[in-house]
Amino acid sequence: DQQVKQNSPSLSVQEGRISILNCDYTNSMFDYFLWYKKYPAEGPTFLISISSIKDKNEDGRFTVFLNKSAKHLSLHIVPSQPGDSAVYFCAARQYSGNTPLVFGKGTRLSVIA
Amino acid sequence: DAGITQSPRHKVTETGTPVTLRCHQTENHRYMYWYRQDPGHGLRLIHYSYGVKDTDKGEVSDGYSVSRSKTEDFLLTLESATSSQTSVYFCAISPGGAGELFFGEGSRLTVL
Repeated sequence: DQQVKQNSPSLSVQEGRISILNCDYTNSMFDYFLWYKKYPAEGPTFLISISSIKDKNEDGRFTVFLNKSAKHLSLHIVPSQPGDSAVYFCAARQYSGNTPLVFGKGTRLSVIA
Repeated sequence: DAGITQSPRHKVTETGTPVTLRCHQTENHRYMYWYRQDPGHGLRLIHYSYGVKDTDKGEVSDGYSVSRSKTEDFLLTLESATSSQTSVYFCAISPGGAGELFFGEGSRLTVL
């Protein structure tokens, strides 16, 4: 049973436009959410996180929004750049209890120049 | 970059042979993890460790064992490799169990 779902395997966006990547979760105990970015032949790298006490967190061109009632989060990238082309993984965990991260299947973003 | 080294980076082996992947860290982090990445499945947790000699199973632990005799090393062993274990394996570390993970560059394993 998938606890973290990324229902869009791929997304294409034009350079300069906004990219919106979506993630849904089913475990109501999750209270800390992260996004990772992965280039081919490299390990995933941390991008941005949000805890359940917030509904938005921003870091430069990247903003994560959390809707707890809908168990949904999204990553907005604006403006999108060709270097943003990568696979993006959503991940979640219970912040207390040191439980491991649970990852979604990933969304491949292609930013077209 | 976090000091994480995975070895070997690439390995081709035959069904039924034992394989050990090594993860070495220089950060002195308490938590270490092994994930596998497969198309259509994302990143799935195999095993993790929360201290020397302290390990626990993840969601896809069947066919794998781990050992951690030193803080810096976390070994993943496939006792008898099968073709379904062909994958890219990632080691990750974390200073505390609740924080972000830092990943290694991956080990690509092909089982023929």
